[in-house]
Amino acid sequence: AQSVTQLDSQVPVFEEAPVELRCNYSSSVSVYLFWYVQYPNQGLQLLLKYLSGSTLVKGINGFEAEFNKSQTSFHLRKPSVHISDTAEYFCAVSSPGAQKLVFGQGTRLTINP
Amino acid sequence: NAGVMQNPRHLVRRRGQEARLRCSPVKGHSHVYWYRQLPEEGLKFMVYLQKENIIDESGMPKERFSAEFPKEGPSILRIQQVVRGDSAAYFCASSPYTGSSGANVLTFGAGSRLTVL
Repeated sequence: AQSVTQLDSQVPVFEEAPVELRCNYSSSVSVYLFWYVQYPNQGLQLLLKYLSGSTLVKGINGFEAEFNKSQTSFHLRKPSVHISDTAEYFCAVSSPGAQKLVFGQGTRLTINP
Repeated sequence: NAGVMQNPRHLVRRRGQEARLRCSPVKGHSHVYWYRQLPEEGLKFMVYLQKENIIDESGMPKERFSAEFPKEGPSILRIQQVVRGDSAAYFCASSPYTGSSGANVLTFGAGSRLTVL
């Protein structure tokens, strides 16, 4: 069975500061990894995904994530955050041929002015 | 090209009533998924359907919950005799068929928020 652990339930940062949201996964097979963002009272939007190839993946809104197979991690980073980045961020895992995503518990990112 | 459409966006029911949540997938997508998000929690998989078939319902509660995806029309998640613990956001997602080895990228709807009084 696959599982995802997001190590921080809440992350407060100041505007224009860098941020890292941590995600670790557990899987006995090869994986696909995803980060989704949920703005208040909205659905989930895909930020970025790792399917294969380069381990550094760039997504929308200036976010990027790095797949680290040895550490089973897929941490999300942004060098300078904006107030509009305030949201809940979800890491998710699936595998080739698997039809469903398994989500982490989410990390609430709060940006302070 | 519309995304995943869910309605109603907000639904209030009294204990014992029925709730019906509808989901129209992205045009051309043949797979539909339902997830539930309880307050302050992540998304939990409920059920995965293709047209007229339930493929995986391992996350569905054994009683009161059912789902369908008919040949024509939207997918429906039905909750009978609702209880306060059913209060949650219910998200639908869809994806195209990717074969047995492809990557399944889900597109989510905005969700239906159920409140049980």
